[in-house]
Amino acid sequence: GNSVTQMEGPVTLSEEAFLTINCTYTATGYPSLFWYVQYPGEGLQLLLKATKADDKGSNKGFEATYRKETTSFHLEKGSVQVSDSAVYFCALMSGGSNYKLTFGKGTLLTVNP
Amino acid sequence: DVKVTQSSRYLVKRTGEKVFLECVQDMDHENMFWYRQDPGLGLRLIYFSYDVKMKEKGDIPEGYSVSREKKERFSLILESASTNQTSMYLCASKPTGAYNEQFFGPGTRLTVL
Repeated sequence: GNSVTQMEGPVTLSEEAFLTINCTYTATGYPSLFWYVQYPGEGLQLLLKATKADDKGSNKGFEATYRKETTSFHLEKGSVQVSDSAVYFCALMSGGSNYKLTFGKGTLLTVNP
Repeated sequence: DVKVTQSSRYLVKRTGEKVFLECVQDMDHENMFWYRQDPGLGLRLIYFSYDVKMKEKGDIPEGYSVSREKKERFSLILESASTNQTSMYLCASKPTGAYNEQFFGPGTRLTVL
């Protein structure tokens, strides 16, 4: 079956530090890959996505590249801000299902001033 | 703007009560979902619906049922609430199409005493 493994948190960084959150997946077919972010007290919102191998998704300074050879979709940001403090979820939607997202367990990021 | 609303942000119920969680979307999406979110477990799919009156079980349907009488509304029902159903419940909707994102509501934090 499908599964997503992302690095366990919590992750604590100082402002302007470099961020990497690792995400690897197992899936049938050719999945689409997503990063969602959940700010405190809110629901999830889409941060970025990639729908085929070697695609790079980007938004708000965050980037992730769909690597089929390593089945990975690592999230990166060159300089984090306090406002990036949130829980980040990696997710996939497999080619066999147009409906279901499979999520990782989430990574809590705290950015200190 | 895209909008998914949930009837309550916080709810406290007693063991054995019947509980209704309501979700409404204004985007004319075909697909709607109910998840529960627990620390260390991420998001787990309870039920989803791909059309009015259609539903499918997700990964953890036990103890829950759903109703979708109108396209914009998807209800989650706890027939007899138990303390292990204390959780954050998230509703989402999605248009048909393999690469389309899911849009999430703000969540309902349910406590069962």
